[in-house]
Amino acid sequence: EDKVVQSPLSLVVHEGDTVTLNCSYEVTNFRSLLWYKQEKKAPTFLFMLTSSGIEKKSGRLSSILDKKELFSILNITATQTGDSAVYLCAVRYSGAGSYQLTFGKGTKLSVIP
Amino acid sequence: DAEITQSPRHKITETGRQVTLACHQTWNHNNMFWYRQDLGHGLRLIHYSYGVQDTNKGEVSDGYSVSRSNTEDLPLTLESAASSQTSVYFCASSGVNGGPLDLSTDTQYFGPGTRLTVL
Repeated sequence: EDKVVQSPLSLVVHEGDTVTLNCSYEVTNFRSLLWYKQEKKAPTFLFMLTSSGIEKKSGRLSSILDKKELFSILNITATQTGDSAVYLCAVRYSGAGSYQLTFGKGTKLSVIP
Repeated sequence: DAEITQSPRHKITETGRQVTLACHQTWNHNNMFWYRQDLGHGLRLIHYSYGVQDTNKGEVSDGYSVSRSNTEDLPLTLESAASSQTSVYFCASSGVNGGPLDLSTDTQYFGPGTRLTVL
């Protein structure tokens, strides 16, 4: 069973739309949740969330974590074609010396003019 | 500037050959990881290392091996390449010394990837 589940798997929107991407995870030994953006190359880091209810923001992108309901959302407002990418959610589960990340399968966002 | 690099960027090989993919980071990170990325599966962990002489198996380690003789490098070896190992391979690192954004050990920074084709 997948420990990190992203939805939707793909999404097509028009420029200017607002989108919300979802990531749910298992609670056991949760430590942090990270969002990455992947264009046709390596994933690049966007946000790391550890505390519930505190929004992280960078320009038109924002993200929030709900540790009670075990999910995070990534919002993108006023989308642009440059936002087209696969957005990856990853969770670090704590444990003695464990630095691994468990990734979801990603949400492919396509923004059309 | 500190960075993480991979080589080669593209590789075509034949079934049964031994292949080694290189990963080099200059952040002095203790933690290094190898992933493969395939359509429908996302990023899957192959092997990882938390320091020199330390190596551990990940989710999909069969047919792969790594060695860590220094802090900067974690080469990935395919002992006898198979067509099922055709994939894009990413190396990543994290560590207490931070990175471009100097965040915690949770944040992994990825290399540019190697596209491997096994014929």
